[in-house]
Amino acid sequence: GQQLNQSPQSMFIQEGEDVSMNCTSSSIFNTWLWYKQDPGEGPVLLIALYKAGELTSNGRLTAQFGITRKDSFLNISASIPSDVGIYFCAGQYYGGSQGNLIFGKGTKLSVKP
Amino acid sequence: DAGVIQSPRHEVTEMGQEVTLRCKPISGHDYLFWYRQTMMRGLELLIYFNNNVPIDDSGMPEDRFSAKMPNASFSTLKIQPSEPRDSAVYFCASSLARDYRFFGPGTRLTVL
Repeated sequence: GQQLNQSPQSMFIQEGEDVSMNCTSSSIFNTWLWYKQDPGEGPVLLIALYKAGELTSNGRLTAQFGITRKDSFLNISASIPSDVGIYFCAGQYYGGSQGNLIFGKGTKLSVKP
Repeated sequence: DAGVIQSPRHEVTEMGQEVTLRCKPISGHDYLFWYRQTMMRGLELLIYFNNNVPIDDSGMPEDRFSAKMPNASFSTLKIQPSEPRDSAVYFCASSLARDYRFFGPGTRLTVL
């Protein structure tokens, strides 16, 4: 079945640094989503990507849908302490059970003030 | 607008007891999903409904787990009997057709 490899598993950075994380798969996806989960809360959608090659920004966050449709990355510029949390990628495909969404294992981000 | 509402937020129970988790999806959403999150396995889809009808329950671990959606505004996930390995955070999420999913705050279940 489809699987997503998300890396890195964790990151420890200094406030103000830029952050980059990515997801890869051997399967093709129609949609890539990036979520953030704060401690004790559910994942919240950050960015949704619907077309291969698409580059989308949301404030300091930028995400891209890979040309091959098998990967995506998320960049965070000038990190701040409230960026702390777990970031999940998710790939959505339309085959078999409709609307199936596969989640990566997450990247845990720690920001040192 | 209210988001997805889950109750209880925390549940501690003893092995063998019945546990019922509740979810109220966002009004107007026609898909409802139940997920389980653990450190080892990440986010796992357990079951999802479309227009109150279960579509895919292949992620439900075993017969001890059951889920119902009696109407468009309410769903339950029941574990009977509960076991320590069921300890996890359980999320409910809802969506409109093919749109992305909105997650609730989760229920942290601890089975002693």
